[in-house]
Amino acid sequence: DAGVIQSPRHEVTEMGQEVTLRCKPISGHDYLFWYRQTMMRGLELLIYFNNNVPIDDSGMPEDRFSAKMPNASFSTLKIQPSEPRDSAVYFCASGRDTDTQYFGPGTRLTVL
Amino acid sequence: GQSLEQPSEVTAVEGAIVQINCTYQTSGFYGLSWYQQHDGGAPTFLSYNALDGLEETGRFSSFLSRSDSYGYLLLQELQMKDSASYFCAVREGAAGGSYIPTFGRGTSLIVHP
Repeated sequence: DAGVIQSPRHEVTEMGQEVTLRCKPISGHDYLFWYRQTMMRGLELLIYFNNNVPIDDSGMPEDRFSAKMPNASFSTLKIQPSEPRDSAVYFCASGRDTDTQYFGPGTRLTVL
Repeated sequence: GQSLEQPSEVTAVEGAIVQINCTYQTSGFYGLSWYQQHDGGAPTFLSYNALDGLEETGRFSSFLSRSDSYGYLLLQELQMKDSASYFCAVREGAAGGSYIPTFGRGTSLIVHP
């Protein structure tokens, strides 16, 4: 299996622009998670899905953030408009349960 | 809510044994996981404990004491490549459903030659 796939790996954008991060989970995994990691705040759960349905989005920082999972093999995290404080590494993870999560390589986002 | 405590940094020499502790406070406990993350990399799952005792996987072992709300990751025969951050993650249990694990801030392990 190729593991969790994320794209792009790096994204540099200007404040106010829309950013879309993409994730392909491991086939057969029912759970999909989006995390954000920074030095200041550590690893934060933004939202997770079970069988393509969003279950808990309480970690989404504000209305500028949205996530979708239109099918079992694809999810997106969108930031619109982006701000410099959104600069972080964004990880997607998937799993058959919540205790064993397989992380993608991450997207390093820089908002200028 | 819950809180997790783990040391921010641990140093050791190659070939030694090191223990990374994780203490937690939860209103209901389900299980404790450990993840490893190298600089610039993604977290990688290492182990999961739901019951008291020691789980061994090669050079790595993980221990849990539910009565003490405490767990640790034990790394034996340390190698330079073990230099990384190690995160514990605890999941609170809930009747009728289970919450998502919360990650600690991580312990940076530095292995010296």
